Amino acid sequence: DAGVIQSPRHEVTEMGQEVTLRCKPISGHNSLFWYRQTMMRGLELLIYFNNNVPIDDSGMPEDRFSAKMPNASFSTLKIQPSEPRDSAVYFCASSLNRDSDFGSGTRLTVV
Amino acid sequence: GENVEQHPSTLSVQEGDSAVIKCTYSDSASNYFPWYKQELGKRPQLIIDIRSNVGEKKDQRIAVTLNKTAKHFSLHITETQPEDSAVYFCAVPSMYSGGGADGLTFGKGTHLIIQP
Repeated sequence: DAGVIQSPRHEVTEMGQEVTLRCKPISGHNSLFWYRQTMMRGLELLIYFNNNVPIDDSGMPEDRFSAKMPNASFSTLKIQPSEPRDSAVYFCASSLNRDSDFGSGTRLTVV
Repeated sequence: GENVEQHPSTLSVQEGDSAVIKCTYSDSASNYFPWYKQELGKRPQLIIDIRSNVGEKKDQRIAVTLNKTAKHFSLHITETQPEDSAVYFCAVPSMYSGGGADGLTFGKGTHLIIQP
């Protein structure tokens, strides 16, 4: 199993640009999570889906952030417009029975 | 929402000694308590978890204990080795959705340093 696959691994963009992060969960997993990690705030849950349905998006910082899961094998996290304070590592994770497997993350730098 | 406190933030132990990391949580309904290990520049990886129907679980050199009354749980690593050096995170489900897995609220992490 290839595990949770995220792309891109690194993204550098200018302030105001749109950024799209992508995630392919482990086949057969029915829950998908987006987390953000920074030195100041640690690991934060942004949003998660069960069976492709968003369950809790209370962690999404602002309306600039949106996430979709059009099918069981793909999810996107979009930031529009991006700001320097969005710089962080964004992790996607998936789960079948509580235990979550994390992807390798996308390191986003907004300049 | 769930509140998770983790201590200490940094822990330095001699190789071969034991290390203990503690977490407290606020929501008494929580029933799943995982621990993750994150090496520098890598993804968090699940190392052990405990459900609320048991008080202790052990897997080789690592163990987790749970006190539901006091709402705290701890990670114990015995006979520490250099490869145990990493950041360790405790976590608790952020809410109970009733269907599928739930998102996690993480502690701030403990940087464990194993001194040779």
